[in-house]
Amino acid sequence: GDSVTQMEGPVTLSEEACLTINCTYTATGYPSLFWYVQYPGEGLQLLLKATKADDKGSNKGFEATYRKETTSFHLEKGSVQVSDSAVYFCALSPSYSSASKIIFGSGTRLSIRP
Amino acid sequence: NAGVTQTPKFQVLKTGQSMTLQCAQDMNHEYMSWYRQDPGMGLRLIHYSVGAGITDQGEVPNGYNVSRSTTEDFPLRLLSAAPSQTSVYFCASSYQGANEQYFGPGTRLTVT
Repeated sequence: GDSVTQMEGPVTLSEEACLTINCTYTATGYPSLFWYVQYPGEGLQLLLKATKADDKGSNKGFEATYRKETTSFHLEKGSVQVSDSAVYFCALSPSYSSASKIIFGSGTRLSIRP
Repeated sequence: NAGVTQTPKFQVLKTGQSMTLQCAQDMNHEYMSWYRQDPGMGLRLIHYSVGAGITDQGEVPNGYNVSRSTTEDFPLRLLSAAPSQTSVYFCASSYQGANEQYFGPGTRLTVT
């Protein structure tokens, strides 16, 4: 079945460091891909999305490119801030699904040191 | 526009007790769903609904019941709580087929 695999955390970086969180997926057809972020004590929020191959999603300095050839959707940011500390979830919505089903990865906790 | 609201925020139950987690949305979304979040396992879909009167099972439905009598409300019922149901529960909603889901703030449930 469809699934999402993302790098295990926690990831700890210093402020202004570069960030990459790896995400790969297994799916039939052409799923939509997402990154959600969960700040401490809150629910998940959509960070960015891409709906077809080679699309780049971007928001708040974060970017991810839909790579069909490598079935990947890695999250990147050039210079992280303390406020980026959160748990990040990679997710997909299957192309065959008529409902808004989303399959989530296990999450990566990111901590940024001042 | 309150978005997706959930009550209560925290709950402690004893094994065998029953309770209902409430979820409401004011965005007129057709699709609503319940997830549980456990450490290292991401979010797992419990039940979902594509409209009033229509519900279906997700990945981990055992021990939970749902109903959808209105577009706005989607309560989750635990009939006989078990320690394995200790988790954080999130409700989400979206327009049908819109992909992006809006999440509530969560309910942290502990079963002793």
